[in-house]
Amino acid sequence: GAVVSQHPSWVICKSGTSVKIECRSLDFQATTMFWYRQFPKQSLMLMATSNEGSKATYEQGVEKDKFLINHASLTLSTLTVTSAHPEDSSFYICSARGPGSNMGYRNQPQHFGDGTRLSIL
Amino acid sequence: GDSVTQMEGPVTLSEEAFLTINCTYTATGYPSLFWYVQYPGEGLQLLLKATKADDKGSNKGFEATYRKETTSFHLEKGSVQVSDSAVYFCALSGRNSNSGYALNFGKGTSLLVTP
Repeated sequence: GAVVSQHPSWVICKSGTSVKIECRSLDFQATTMFWYRQFPKQSLMLMATSNEGSKATYEQGVEKDKFLINHASLTLSTLTVTSAHPEDSSFYICSARGPGSNMGYRNQPQHFGDGTRLSIL
Repeated sequence: GDSVTQMEGPVTLSEEAFLTINCTYTATGYPSLFWYVQYPGEGLQLLLKATKADDKGSNKGFEATYRKETTSFHLEKGSVQVSDSAVYFCALSGRNSNSGYALNFGKGTSLLVTP
């Protein structure tokens, strides 16, 4: 159980294109999803917290107009990289918290998608 | 703020060797602690967790004990296999005023096990 599906797994596109990445919780509901960015051989950096039915909360230094997040349902969050440029090339990973609401948020593990490798030419 | 420090890699071991990957943390309050594993080209998988002091998380022969007195959560395995080659991330879940209980990751430790 607790499977998170992320799509697409790999995308190459031209500079100036907008790219949408989907993150779905397949067998549980996730009121909160997280979007991370990972540079080669480095750790995951939290970009934003996505809450169902409300605006995303962005970390300091992350451009909200550049990285649009929509969490329209309890099983789907999307990240759109608008007008992508080569410096946006990275590995983007989403995660969903839960299930197990009786654990408390602090104790709930996060379940990760397999990531999306974005390459902007 | 909260932070996680884990030993720099890469770590190279022979098959059946003993593994320790050190992890220490700084946090206010009482965080939960996790180890995640990332295989090449994939996302992260939860390996084990501990939610309070003295808890021991274990899975697939790996274990880690939540040590509040030393603020540590070292990962150990008695006999590693080639299939354990991956990057291991230590993480904590504590209160972040901006992001709720998002995970705060260490930099990751790459493990290579040779036959």
